[in-house]
Formats: sequence, structure tokens, C-alpha cells
Amino acid sequence: GAVVSQHPSWVICKSGTSVKIECRSLDFQATTMFWYRQFPKQSLMLMATSNEGSKATYEQGVEKDKFLINHASLTLSTLTVTSAHPEDSSFYICSARKGTWVQEQFFGPGTRLTVL
Amino acid sequence: DAKTTQPPSMDCAEGRAANLPCNHSTISGNEYVYWYRQIHSQGPQYIIHGLKNNETNEMASLIITEDRKSSTLILPHATLRDTAVYYCIVRVGRGSSNTGKLIFGQGTTLQVKP
Repeated sequence: GAVVSQHPSWVICKSGTSVKIECRSLDFQATTMFWYRQFPKQSLMLMATSNEGSKATYEQGVEKDKFLINHASLTLSTLTVTSAHPEDSSFYICSARKGTWVQEQFFGPGTRLTVL
Repeated sequence: DAKTTQPPSMDCAEGRAANLPCNHSTISGNEYVYWYRQIHSQGPQYIIHGLKNNETNEMASLIITEDRKSSTLILPHATLRDTAVYYCIVRVGRGSSNTGKLIFGQGTTLQVKP
């Protein structure tokens, strides 16, 4: 149990286009979902936290108008990278929390975004 | 937030125990120690967590010092598939989405060698 999926697993797009990444909790309802970004040879950086039906809370330095997060249901959150540029190329990882305990947080497999 | 310090890299021979240290000298009384690992190009995987007692599960053991200022993750019989980056994170165990955010440091890259 406690599986989190992401779609797509990788995507290549042209500069200036928008890309949507889906994150789903397959066998549980997620009270909270988190989005991380990871550049090569670096650690994960938390981008934002979202609760179903409410606006996402973005970490300092993350542009909310560029990284749109929609948390429409207890099993689905989406991250849209708007007007993507090469510097947005990264590994995007979502995470879903089952309850209020930290150990009930599970990570997706990640989405590799390459912007040409 | 309590910060953690881990060595950037470690090697371990296959079949031997891997002992990964973590310092968290500013840990608060209500903060837990969590360990995650990330195999290359995958999402992080939960390993184990503890508050003050030593813990063991099917993956690893966690030894926390009595003063709680440091801990050691032990993989009893490392295999090549255990090669990964291991993250030690200190957080409150339960809370709002804000207080319970998992913030990753640089971690320790463990290389298990044949």
C-alpha cells in the first residue's frame, strides 16, 4: 500500500511552452501533498505544500505564477510549469501524506523535465 | 528547525554492516530523527525513524545516543542495491503541513562495493 505515482515519468518540451505534471496517491487519500525539485548532484528542494481544496503554500524564492499547483482532490495534485525555460530543467518529485504523522509521507518516482 | 550534519560520502564492502552517522546537536525534545534514502533518479524511500529509543525494522536499525545529539543508521548486511544517498532529517513527528515539512540536507552518498 501507500503508492504515489507521477505522470509523465519524463518529458521534453520547447522553451516557452507549459508542462503539466500529475501526482496521484493510488491507494490512500492524501491530506497534504508536497512538490520538490532536484537539480543534478543536488539535494531535494521543497517548492510548495498543498492541501486539497486550498491554495498552495510556496517556499521562499519559488515563483507561484510560474509553478502552478492545483490540488483538486484528495488523490490528485498537479504542477504546471508555465513558460518553461532551459533553467527549469530538473527532476520534479511529489510526495503525499496519508495522515498527520511525518512517517506517513510517501514519495513519487519523479518526473524528469528537459526544456530545449 | 534542528539541523543535521552528515559526512558527504562513505564506502562499504558488500555483505558488511554500513554505519551512517548523523549529528543533530540542536534537536528539540519533540523532534524525531528520520532516515530516507534516494537511489539514483528515483524518489526518496522511507527507512526508519525514532524519538529516543533504538529502533529496528526489516531494512535497518537506528541507534540514538542518550543525549539525542547524534544517531547512527545501520544497514546490517549491505548489498549493491543499498548504494544510494542517505538523508537524516529531524522534524516534529506530527503536525500541520507546515510544521511537519520534510527538508532534505545534502545527505551521505553510500557506495557499496563488491
